[in-house]
Amino acid sequence: AQRVTQPEKLLSVFKGAPVELKCNYSYSGSPELFWYVQYSRQRLQLLLRHISRESIKGFTADLNKGETSFHLKKPFAQEEDSAMYYCAPIPSGGSYIPTFGRGTSLIVHP
Amino acid sequence: NAGVTQTPKFQVLKTGQSMTLQCAQDMNHEYMSWYRQDPGMGLRLIHYSVGAGITDQGEVPNGYNVSRSTTEDFPLRLLSAAPSQTSVYFCASSSGTGSSPLHFGNGTRLTVT
Repeated sequence: AQRVTQPEKLLSVFKGAPVELKCNYSYSGSPELFWYVQYSRQRLQLLLRHISRESIKGFTADLNKGETSFHLKKPFAQEEDSAMYYCAPIPSGGSYIPTFGRGTSLIVHP
Repeated sequence: NAGVTQTPKFQVLKTGQSMTLQCAQDMNHEYMSWYRQDPGMGLRLIHYSVGAGITDQGEVPNGYNVSRSTTEDFPLRLLSAAPSQTSVYFCASSSGTGSSPLHFGNGTRLTVT
């Protein structure tokens, strides 16, 4: 079965500390990989996608095909990064509807 | 550009009542979907549509109906509300290619008593 796992429900760090939010997936083929973010009282929005190889708000995500992981990283966390983060792969072929992980709540303390 | 618009923002129902959550998008997206968000469960797909006249079930479809008569609208119907349907509901749309992201509405917070 296709599955996406975000092992940490909650990640609590201090401002300036490095952050890594883990995402592992079990999909055949080459899924498209996305991270979405939901700030307090706001709608979910795209943070970044693997195909763009971009860095958004200092976040990057590296695809490791061998480990089937797409971990989200930021070297120095800021208080405004506090939010809920969702990993969402889209399987290759098929309906182009992503499956979401359970989410990781990131809290950055001052 | 409104994007994805959901109404209402909040709703309280009694067990057994029915209601429709509205979703409209103005981006001419083919793909639309409904998710429910529950603490510790993430977002779970209820129903989705890949175009007008085409709908399919997601992970948790029981108790919900959908239809897609136009490209713009994708309403979600609760036929007989149950307390287990207390949740936050999100509608989303996308252009339907593998690399295209979802655009979300603001959500509807539903409480069933």
